[in-house]
Amino acid sequence: GAVVSQHPSWVICKSGTSVKIECRSLDFQATTMFWYRQFPKQSLMLMATSNEGSKATYEQGVEKDKFLINHASLTLSTLTVTSAHPEDSSFYICSARDRVHNEQFFGPGTRLTVL
Amino acid sequence: QQQVKQSPQSLIVQKGGIPIINCAYENTAFDYFPWYQQFPGKGPALLIAIRPDVSEKKEGRFTISFNKSAKQFSLHIMDSQPGDSATYFCAASIRTGTASKLTFGTGTRLQVTL
Repeated sequence: GAVVSQHPSWVICKSGTSVKIECRSLDFQATTMFWYRQFPKQSLMLMATSNEGSKATYEQGVEKDKFLINHASLTLSTLTVTSAHPEDSSFYICSARDRVHNEQFFGPGTRLTVL
Repeated sequence: QQQVKQSPQSLIVQKGGIPIINCAYENTAFDYFPWYQQFPGKGPALLIAIRPDVSEKKEGRFTISFNKSAKQFSLHIMDSQPGDSATYFCAASIRTGTASKLTFGTGTRLQVTL
């Protein structure tokens, strides 16, 4: 079946540093990937839509200069949290859309803790 | 505003019971309604999905009921088991769109007791 991986699964960093999270579709090609943020006991909030080879589309209220998204290939998208602060601590989840079946498959998530 | 309202927020049922989770939407352009199951610390996993041209879909112990006129859909879990204890999210999207963005409900925390 369609598998999406994320790396790392968790990361702890100091305030002011940048953190990169990778999202890979392992057995299918994904022209579109999505990045979500989820706070404890809350729903998933879409941050941005990433299309291969083009600039990401950010949702209202999401700072594009803080959350840099790159989708350089059909199987890889990266989210870089720049100059991270404690309020950026959250669970970040990506999904990849299988273009054959038009279905979104989610990664296992990355827990970011900023000290 | 595109919204999907989900209820209840939490639910406790005994093993073998049939928990029912309800969702309502506003945007009549939505044409795809999936349900996701999420365990703590994990990403959501697709359980079952339905299109508005059918009123019911069943896969294993999971059933979606869909009422297009009322703009509501619900998830029923037959013969629930403790392993079903998780958070369930309904969602909706416009599949024909190039982005196919999902709009999620607020989630229902289900606990199945012995």
